[in-house]
Amino acid sequence: SQTIHQWPATLVQPVGSPLSLECTVEGTSNPNLYWYRQAAGRGLQLLFYSVGIGQISSEVPQNLSASRPQDRQFILSSKKLLLSDSGFYLCAWSPRRRGRSNQPQHFGDGTRLSIL
Amino acid sequence: AQRVTQPEKLLSVFKGAPVELKCNYSYSGSPELFWYVQYSRQRLQLLLRHISRESIKGFTADLNKGETSFHLKKPFAQEEDSAMYYCALQYNFNKFYFGSGTKLNVKP
Repeated sequence: SQTIHQWPATLVQPVGSPLSLECTVEGTSNPNLYWYRQAAGRGLQLLFYSVGIGQISSEVPQNLSASRPQDRQFILSSKKLLLSDSGFYLCAWSPRRRGRSNQPQHFGDGTRLSIL
Repeated sequence: AQRVTQPEKLLSVFKGAPVELKCNYSYSGSPELFWYVQYSRQRLQLLLRHISRESIKGFTADLNKGETSFHLKKPFAQEEDSAMYYCALQYNFNKFYFGSGTKLNVKP
């Protein structure tokens, strides 16, 4: 069966420090991969998605970047964190079937990021 | 532009009462809609999708294109239904837009 792992679970970082959050998926190949941010009292905001290695689409201009060095690995990064980067970050995957939608997403446990 | 609105941040009902969590969407194309649920200390998970026309844990949701709604309903709420519920719109095959969520609290 497919599983998704996301780490770390919590992270406290000072302003201006770099960031690297990692997400890996097992038990499937060629998944669509997603990074979301959930700010307090708000919904999930799609930050990045990827349909293949090295293919990253950014939905919201921001201080963050994403990379997909391997088929089932998705990394969220920042060179210099801002206070506004605090939040709850979720990684998700969905099956990639060309031309077909209605494929649900499967979420990781999330990372709670606090910027001091 | 696509958008999903969940007007209620919090919905409190008594056990056994009917419950309806509202979701309205805005999308020029053919919508693909989902309901996700997050129970306490658990991952966000799929509850149901409109295309399946299924009932999961007693919940149903009907897509009403005229009213652009996808409300989630259950005739008799249970305490274990207490959770955070998100309505989501899938568009352009790969993208998802989530509502801000409704916290359902079912009181004994």
